[in-house]
Amino acid sequence: GQQLNQSPQSMFIQEGEDVSMNCTSSSIFNTWLWYKQDPGEGPVLLIALYKAGELTSNGRLTAQFGITRKDSFLNISASIPSDVGIYFCAGQLYGGSQGNLIFGKGTKLSVKP
Amino acid sequence: GAGVSQTPSNKVTEKGKYVELRCDPISGHTALYWYRQSLGQGPEFLIYFQGTGAADDSGLPNDRFFAVRPEGSVSTLKIQRTERGDSAVYLCASSSRGSGGETQYFGPGTRLLVL
Repeated sequence: GQQLNQSPQSMFIQEGEDVSMNCTSSSIFNTWLWYKQDPGEGPVLLIALYKAGELTSNGRLTAQFGITRKDSFLNISASIPSDVGIYFCAGQLYGGSQGNLIFGKGTKLSVKP
Repeated sequence: GAGVSQTPSNKVTEKGKYVELRCDPISGHTALYWYRQSLGQGPEFLIYFQGTGAADDSGLPNDRFFAVRPEGSVSTLKIQRTERGDSAVYLCASSSRGSGGETQYFGPGTRLLVL
């Protein structure tokens, strides 16, 4: 099935560093979302974006919905150990019978050894 | 309040067997989604219910996969003649209306291993 292009695939963080990841698509979406998934759990919504150009923050997290509606980025400022996990972007195109999410492959955040 | 629950949390079965995976959505949520997540991948859409009816089943990989939601609440994903390639985490999500823009809340998933 279709998946979004998410990068980087993985990154190592040191406490206090800022982190950035992005997602692109060949299709436009009505909504862009960012989820975090911890081992053995389902994805948990971090930020939802509903309008092209929208910039939204949730604590140390900031995300933007690209003007073209085909991309989004997520920034995490001043990372802490509990930020470790897998982050997924997801696009949603709704109307009619649609409403399902199209996910990226994820960005795995690990702590620098 | 209770979130989305899924049972069993883990299921090991043998190739060729039949399995049923259950999802209990958040009470009052009319939209229910099934996704499949393979190792190292993001979740992939399988089927979407609005109430009792399957509004979109375009993600089901083949006719061995079937899902029902007879009373508009609990849903069961059924896999016949399981194959090793069916091994994955099966995630269920629900949202309040499904008309677009509402948050989809995910359950913890069922980890299916086909030997």
